[in-house]
Amino acid sequence: NAGVTQTPKFQVLKTGQSMTLQCAQDMNHEYMSWYRQDPGMGLRLIHYSVGAGITDQGEVPNGYNVSRSTTEDFPLRLLSAAPSQTSVYFCASSNDRENEKLFFGSGTQLSVL
Amino acid sequence: AQRVTQPEKLLSVFKGAPVELKCNYSYSGSPELFWYVQYSRQRLQLLLRHISRESIKGFTADLNKGETSFHLKKPFAQEEDSAMYYCALRSYNQGGKLIFGQGTELSVKP
Repeated sequence: NAGVTQTPKFQVLKTGQSMTLQCAQDMNHEYMSWYRQDPGMGLRLIHYSVGAGITDQGEVPNGYNVSRSTTEDFPLRLLSAAPSQTSVYFCASSNDRENEKLFFGSGTQLSVL
Repeated sequence: AQRVTQPEKLLSVFKGAPVELKCNYSYSGSPELFWYVQYSRQRLQLLLRHISRESIKGFTADLNKGETSFHLKKPFAQEEDSAMYYCALRSYNQGGKLIFGQGTELSVKP
């Protein structure tokens, strides 16, 4: 099993550009989520999903969209990138029945100029 | 509101010294608490959870409901313990999501 796979690992955008961060897991996990990691702020939840077709907002959802058309994939879309979205983004998944242990991807470092 | 506070951004100790990473929480109900760790160039991973009452890599953490704390302790720090540590709270009021603290960077010097 590859676990949780995130692409790309690094990305530089100009203000106003859009892009999609990809996240895929091969563990048949129901629960998937996106976090951003900022110095002094810890990990903040952006969006999450408890199963295919179901998504909900987390703590900092503004400027981001998600969809969950399959169990495996949970892409994060930046509609119009802003410098405030410069961060490291982590995707995570867990088995809904346990929902005690999050498996994290390796992260995407995003810079918005 | 549910909240997790890690008051120290950086904790620096010498090898062999005891270490305590502080975590305080705010939660109305029975909390479930976790410690996650991120070693350099590795993924964030679960270190331990309070319901298991386990010791992982020599680390333990006891839930103190009176003080609303879940401090992570190790009696003798090792250089390989240097990492970023996050305390997390499961919020059943928010669909079981994990709420993370700000993180504490532990640096163990030789």
